[in-house]
Amino acid sequence: DVKVTQSSRYLVKRTGEKVFLECVQDMDHENMFWYRQDPGLGLRLIYFSYDVKMKEKGDIPEGYSVSREKKERFSLILESASTNQTSMYLCASSSLGTGGSFGYTFGSGTRLTVV
Amino acid sequence: GEDVEQSLFLSVREGDSSVINCTYTDSSSTYLYWYKQEPGAGLQLLTYIFSNMDMKQDQRLTVLLNKKDKHLSLRIADTQTGDSAIYFCAESYTGTASKLTFGTGTRLQVTL
Repeated sequence: DVKVTQSSRYLVKRTGEKVFLECVQDMDHENMFWYRQDPGLGLRLIYFSYDVKMKEKGDIPEGYSVSREKKERFSLILESASTNQTSMYLCASSSLGTGGSFGYTFGSGTRLTVV
Repeated sequence: GEDVEQSLFLSVREGDSSVINCTYTDSSSTYLYWYKQEPGAGLQLLTYIFSNMDMKQDQRLTVLLNKKDKHLSLRIADTQTGDSAIYFCAESYTGTASKLTFGTGTRLQVTL
């Protein structure tokens, strides 16, 4: 069964810490995405990548960076965590050009709490 | 820019039909989707419709698309308690990485 795996389901971090959220997909997908989900706001795109070492800003990139050194892995980095980054983070992947016809495959999410 | 809107909450009785609505603004959308999110889980693709179609039916699910009004709906027949979840509509358009724009999500509560 194909999947997108996020390394942690729950994380608690302190304000100012550097936080890494990891995402791995086994479908050989070109495109990978990071969203955050907040009640009443839906999913908001933070960053996406359509190739190794390529990245593009989404709608809310401030306070985040990403790394894609290998095709299967896409990491989200919170350089200095703040309480307003407490959220559910969702990783997704799709195949180049077919993201339209088949949508995304999502991971189970990482619920991050910054205290 | 793209904007996708949904009502936040819907409550239905078990066995009734549910209709979840969505409006979008990008007329160049190519595909429109419905995703389901169960508590504590990621999003699962339920169904999708190509923008040149008016309707798609898949077992208990019926998707209606009114492209003129930019309105998308998901009808769930014979709603069950297992259908309780958050439902997201999303749109995509031809472009780099075929980005999806998601709605705010509608929480469906099924009561006995």
